[in-house]
Amino acid sequence: KAGVTQTPRYLIKTRGQQVTLSCSPISGHRSVSWYQQTPGQGLQFLFEYFSETQRNKGNFPGRFSGRQFSNSRSEMNVSTLELGDSALYLCASSPPDRADTEAFFGQGTRLTVV
Amino acid sequence: AQSVTQLGSHVSVSEGALVLLRCNYSSSVPPYLFWYVQYPNQGLQLLLKYTTGATLVKGINGFEAEFKKSETSFHLTKPSAHMSDAAEYFCAVIDSGAGSYQLTFGKGTKLSVIP
Repeated sequence: KAGVTQTPRYLIKTRGQQVTLSCSPISGHRSVSWYQQTPGQGLQFLFEYFSETQRNKGNFPGRFSGRQFSNSRSEMNVSTLELGDSALYLCASSPPDRADTEAFFGQGTRLTVV
Repeated sequence: AQSVTQLGSHVSVSEGALVLLRCNYSSSVPPYLFWYVQYPNQGLQLLLKYTTGATLVKGINGFEAEFKKSETSFHLTKPSAHMSDAAEYFCAVIDSGAGSYQLTFGKGTKLSVIP
């Protein structure tokens, strides 16, 4: 069974640009969530999508957005990049509507903003 | 709101020694608790989880954790450390009554194993 796939693995962008990250969940998983990981703030929840609907959003500015497609694949977008957006962005998928199951994580996308 | 506190951002143990990583949580409803491990430049891998039932949970690679409601703790242990255990470990919680899937993580504990 294929795991969670995130593309690309590495990105270098310039301040002010925008970026789109992609996540393909495990087959059959309909919940996809995104996390930002930085040395200072640790792992912070960005948002969660289920059946193409955003169910929850973390405390991030509106520059961070996402969407989910009918095949459960998800993308997140960051506009007007700032240096502080440099981070490892992790996507996780979990089985349909089960809070008592673990999230399966991708290897992440390392975003560097210069 | 939920929160997770991991005591000690860095822990060093000798190879063969006991590993103890501490996690305390705060949750207004019965929590589901998880320990994840992260190797450099990798995603998170589940070590073990507690949802309901037996409070002593066994996971992969010889790790186990005990849920203690009275102490709001979920400490991770391994009797004998191996060099391959060197990694960063994260404790996480999710509300059992949550309407969405959102993990709240601790800050992480980096484990070093000294040969």
